Amino acid sequence: SQTIHQWPATLVQPVGSPLSLECTVEGTSNPNLYWYRQAAGRGLQLLFYSVGIGQISSEVPQNLSASRPQDRQFILSSKKLLLSDSGFYLCAWSPLGAYEQYFGPGTRLTVT
Amino acid sequence: EDQVTQSPEALRLQEGESSSLNCSYTVSGLRGLFWYRQDPGKGPEFLFTLYSAGEEKEKERLKATLTKKESFLHITAPKPEDSATYLCAVQIYSGNTPLVFGKGTRLSVIA
Repeated sequence: SQTIHQWPATLVQPVGSPLSLECTVEGTSNPNLYWYRQAAGRGLQLLFYSVGIGQISSEVPQNLSASRPQDRQFILSSKKLLLSDSGFYLCAWSPLGAYEQYFGPGTRLTVT
Repeated sequence: EDQVTQSPEALRLQEGESSSLNCSYTVSGLRGLFWYRQDPGKGPEFLFTLYSAGEEKEKERLKATLTKKESFLHITAPKPEDSATYLCAVQIYSGNTPLVFGKGTRLSVIA
């Protein structure tokens, strides 16, 4: 069966510090991968998605970036965090040729 | 612009009091509609996919239905453990586009 992991689960970072969130998927090959941010009262905001290694599409211009160094690994990064980057970050995957997405447990990021 | 609107924003039910959640959409071509359940502090859990008008899917006390403009999530005789936020999302026809999510309905079931 397929499993999706995210870490860390919780993170508190000062403004201006770097960020690296990691997501890995097990039990599947060539998944589509997604990063979302969920802020209170604003729903799920798609940040990036990837249909293959090294292929990243950005949905929202901001100080975040994403990379996919391996088939089942997706990384969300920032060089300098802003207060507005606080939120609940979710990674998701979908099987090749399908559209339903399966979400990870999420990372709660607080920027102070 | 493609849009997904969920109503109500919040719903409070007594245990056993059946009701429905609504997801209306305005998209250029629907490929699929998806329902998720999200518990506080956790990632959304996939429930159903609906592909065409008239289709229905059931799981325990939940039944999802689809028309050409909206979907309903019917909850029959809910229990407190059904309390969660329910999210609706749509997939549209144009290429490999990601899902468009609604903001969700926060359901509370009181014993």
